[in-house]
Amino acid sequence: QSALTQPASVSGSPGQSITISCTGTSSDVGSYNLVSWYQQHPGKAPKLMIYEVSKRPSGVSNRFSGSKSGNTASLTISGLQAEDEADYYCCSYAGSSTFGVFGGGTKLTVL
Amino acid sequence: QVQLVESGGGLVKPGGSLRLSCAASGFTFSDYYMSWIRQAPGKGLEWVSYISSSSSYTNYADSVKGRFTISRDNAKNSLYLQMNSLRAEDTAVYYCARDGVVAATTLFDYWGQGTLVTVSS
Repeated sequence: QSALTQPASVSGSPGQSITISCTGTSSDVGSYNLVSWYQQHPGKAPKLMIYEVSKRPSGVSNRFSGSKSGNTASLTISGLQAEDEADYYCCSYAGSSTFGVFGGGTKLTVL
Repeated sequence: QVQLVESGGGLVKPGGSLRLSCAASGFTFSDYYMSWIRQAPGKGLEWVSYISSSSSYTNYADSVKGRFTISRDNAKNSLYLQMNSLRAEDTAVYYCARDGVVAATTLFDYWGQGTLVTVSS
């Protein structure tokens, strides 16, 4: 069982928007603005999409955005495109001892 | 461009040992915290261990504490993971990933392609 809870799957049609939730606790997501999101295509390494809750690395489309409320972080993808179909993982800092916890991953299907 | 290339994976029997390596290039390796992250077949990501830029600080997931040792050689731009007393549940693709400069913050901005470790008799 993963430390952070994500829906197993979400889907949307091209052009639509979807949101993936990531629920943690007051010991991780709720305590630190150090939530990141990773995109992983089959057989490939994960790619950083969002860091520090809502910041985008250089080169990542502005169709990707992040937010947080309480113990739940969210990733929103607007204007869905076929290439967005992938697995998405959230990750949160959880203190100096536990350090990093990931969500179980969400499979995004673009219909 | 930043590159991380893992090597050293393979098939090992339960109770055996393996040493993974990660060769870094395209950035000042000695400035960054580095982590190992693994992914069991068909499963999610699990952080395994991190090491500070100067090797002063290390940290391990409870699942590997006492069995795995992380190290680095800044002169060789290389990161290592010594894995002992391997178990079937350690079977996974192991990724090295770059973290922050000042501290380890789970901001994994670059990842290697991964190396597969299979623990089976």
